[in-house]
Amino acid sequence: DGGITQSPKYLFRKEGQNVTLSCEQNLNHDAMYWYRQDPGQGLRLIYYSQIVNDFQKGDIAEGYSVSREKKESFPLTVTSAQKNPTAFYLCASSPRPRGGASKETQYFGPGTRLLVL
Amino acid sequence: EDQVTQSPEALRLQEGESSSLNCSYTVSGLRGLFWYRQDPGKGPEFLFTLYSAGEEKEKERLKATLTKKESFLHITAPKPEDSATYLCAVQAGSNYQLIWGAGTKLIIKP
Repeated sequence: DGGITQSPKYLFRKEGQNVTLSCEQNLNHDAMYWYRQDPGQGLRLIYYSQIVNDFQKGDIAEGYSVSREKKESFPLTVTSAQKNPTAFYLCASSPRPRGGASKETQYFGPGTRLLVL
Repeated sequence: EDQVTQSPEALRLQEGESSSLNCSYTVSGLRGLFWYRQDPGKGPEFLFTLYSAGEEKEKERLKATLTKKESFLHITAPKPEDSATYLCAVQAGSNYQLIWGAGTKLIIKP
């Protein structure tokens, strides 16, 4: 079955700790995205990557970092610099960026809920 | 500034009571409008993409329509399992990033 997996489902962070959220896809999609979702707000883009070894900051990148060493994987690290990390984190992928809107439909993983101890 | 607004924030209906959700947008050069369904604690599930004014798409009890200023998601004779938050997103201009609305929480009572 093709899809996007995220792990863990729940993650607890202590003060001053960096934590890494995993995102893997076997859809052979070129583009991958990380979003943050807070109650009552629209999804906000943290980072996105159109191709391996390249990524760009989204609207709220401060306190986060990413890597894209493999097409299938796009891990997100929440650093100690992110002072309000409690949120639901969503990873998405799309077939091909800038290939026409039909190629840019984003498909989502199940999400990781990050809580601060 | 590009903006997407969804209304109402929440909608409670009786089973079988048809209604519509609204997604209004102000963007330059619409390329696509996307509807998603999100269940509590889960990732959004893709429903529809609409590309141009006048376009309509249907799936089971859901029908999405698009004008130059807004999109409607019509729900006909809903069932309790249709309860979810429905998200709308827009892609515009040369920027392929999506602009998201805050969602409408739909509750269908049996």
